[in-house]
Amino acid sequence: GNSVTQMEGPVTLSEEAFLTINCTYTATGYPSLFWYVQYPGEGLQLLLKATKADDKGSNKGFEATYRKETTSFHLEKGSVQVSDSAVYFCALSGNFNKFYFGSGTKLNVKP
Amino acid sequence: SQTIHQWPATLVQPVGSPLSLECTVEGTSNPNLYWYRQAAGRGLQLLFYSVGIGQISSEVPQNLSASRPQDRQFILSSKKLLLSDSGFYLCAWSATLGGSHNEQFFGPGTRLTVL
Repeated sequence: GNSVTQMEGPVTLSEEAFLTINCTYTATGYPSLFWYVQYPGEGLQLLLKATKADDKGSNKGFEATYRKETTSFHLEKGSVQVSDSAVYFCALSGNFNKFYFGSGTKLNVKP
Repeated sequence: SQTIHQWPATLVQPVGSPLSLECTVEGTSNPNLYWYRQAAGRGLQLLFYSVGIGQISSEVPQNLSASRPQDRQFILSSKKLLLSDSGFYLCAWSATLGGSHNEQFFGPGTRLTVL
């Protein structure tokens, strides 16, 4: 079946630190992979996506590479800002475009 | 451009009362529609999805139901709320063309508290 596993949070970093949030998946077929971000009290916003192996999704300084050999889609950013504080969700898409989400990783960035 | 609306934004209901949450999408036709629940500090649980009018698939057994009376309207209901129904309810849509490679677009959510 389909499932996504994310690293447990919260992750606390100082401003300008390097960020990695690990995401691994189990899937049947060839899913697309996504990272979403949720700010307090809001819905989810798409951060980036990758539709096939070796694709790199990028947006707002964040990037993630679809690694089929390691079934991973780790989120990275070279220099985080206080405004990046949010909850980040990794997801994969299955039949009928049903999404399978990880449990979310809360990121706290301190000035 | 496409937009997705949910209402109400917040709701406080007593145990045993009925529930109706509404979601509408503008600017697209024949979308796939989804209801999720997010418990406090937890991930998202897919409750229902719909690929067309009157076509509803349930992902988890519970006392909630969903209906899609119009192409771009998705309703989440309950006849009698339980305490465990409290949470943040999110509606989402995706385009049908492109299969499983389309992103989902989320509404602003409804915060439901059952007392």
